[in-house]
Amino acid sequence: DIQMTQSPFSLSASVGDRVTITCRASQSINSFLNWYQQKPGKAPKLLIYAASSLQTGVPSRFSGSGSGTDFTLTISSLRLEDFATYYCQQTYSTPGTFGQGTKVEIK
Amino acid sequence: QVQLQESGPGLVKPSGTLSLTCAVSGGSISNNNWWTWVRQPPGRGLEWIGEIYHSGSTNYNPSLKSRVTISVDKSKIQFSLKLSSVTAADTAVYYCARVRYYYDSSGYYIPYFDYWGQGTLVTVSS
Repeated sequence: DIQMTQSPFSLSASVGDRVTITCRASQSINSFLNWYQQKPGKAPKLLIYAASSLQTGVPSRFSGSGSGTDFTLTISSLRLEDFATYYCQQTYSTPGTFGQGTKVEIK
Repeated sequence: QVQLQESGPGLVKPSGTLSLTCAVSGGSISNNNWWTWVRQPPGRGLEWIGEIYHSGSTNYNPSLKSRVTISVDKSKIQFSLKLSSVTAADTAVYYCARVRYYYDSSGYYIPYFDYWGQGTLVTVSS
């Protein structure tokens, strides 16, 4: 299985901060990388697919980049509703695997 | 807008079989989509279980393959998950989702999960 490693495990930030979360794959996955946001008690919500494509309806402050093994999710200016856990997912090979999650908390 | 809704028993006895259904509304289950199951143990991360195409073709996570069956009922516009020989380690919130594909400039079809059900907690306990 391809291992997905996110960093940091958690972070504390303030409203208005720029936040960057990284995801590293144990082998090259081209651009087969998606990002999800999950709030407590809710299902994951798709933010970014194919490494850098913004899902319809997702605010433009979210962006994704990367290819191969290293990927980044950036929130340009953190808003209160962005405090959540973020997961990356590779769909390059079966089984698709998720990162362990990055929890974004209020500072 | 596509909506998915999981249903099934919230409590299953050890060694029993977990059975869940995902009802699809707002769209056809027979469009060019795959449909998938993902689970999340309490306080932990996400694990892909498997997927099914409307034709009945399936792919499973090798770690669960010997115990998992996913099926589709096009007449009822739903698909189902069965997981046999369950233990406490199978206690989790189970989600169903739709798989979509993005055709990128390199010629790859990249899967992603765009619509999710709300999830249902299944506890394995006697």
